[in-house]
Amino acid sequence: GAVVSQHPSWVICKSGTSVKIECRSLDFQATTMFWYRQFPKQSLMLMATSNEGSKATYEQGVEKDKFLINHASLTLSTLTVTSAHPEDSSFYICSARMGQGAGNTIYFGEGSWLTVV
Amino acid sequence: AQSVTQPDIHITVSEGASLELRCNYSYGATPYLFWYVQSPGQGLQLLLKYFSGDTLVQGIKGFEAEFKRSQSSFNLRKPSVHWSDAAEYFCAFSPFGNEKLTFGTGTRLTIIP
Repeated sequence: GAVVSQHPSWVICKSGTSVKIECRSLDFQATTMFWYRQFPKQSLMLMATSNEGSKATYEQGVEKDKFLINHASLTLSTLTVTSAHPEDSSFYICSARMGQGAGNTIYFGEGSWLTVV
Repeated sequence: AQSVTQPDIHITVSEGASLELRCNYSYGATPYLFWYVQSPGQGLQLLLKYFSGDTLVQGIKGFEAEFKRSQSSFNLRKPSVHWSDAAEYFCAFSPFGNEKLTFGTGTRLTIIP
């Protein structure tokens, strides 16, 4: 079946540095990818919608300058957390949509744990 | 406002017993509904989805869900749970099919021997 892979699975970075998380669709082209954030024992909150070749659409309250999203190809979207702070520590999950029709399935990556120290 | 609610934060069932996880939505029309399962520290796996048609939807791992418009519900069921079913279960909703999903708060399922 379709697979969405995230890298890295775990990352620890120092406060003030930037960290990049990759989301790849391994066996299909994804014109649209979504980035979610999940705090421990809480639900997933959509951060932004990433469209290949265009700017991402951010949800209300998400700082676009802090969470940079690049969807440069049909199989890769990246999330860069800039000037990370401990409160950015979270589980980040991406998802990718196969095709554009309403009947197409969204597949989720395995998630990436970010710890800012 | 559009939303999805999972009333039960935590459910414990015995292995072999039946299971029902509740999900209610708030939306003016028929939404697209999903159930996902998340094991600890892992991503999400789609169990099943409802777009239209038959209101009883069969999914993977022996799960099924029934869409009831009159009750604005999409409850997940399994006739006999296995220890491996212990996980977090999320109901999700989208007004336009496979666009961005709004998730419920999740139900944590614990299985006891």
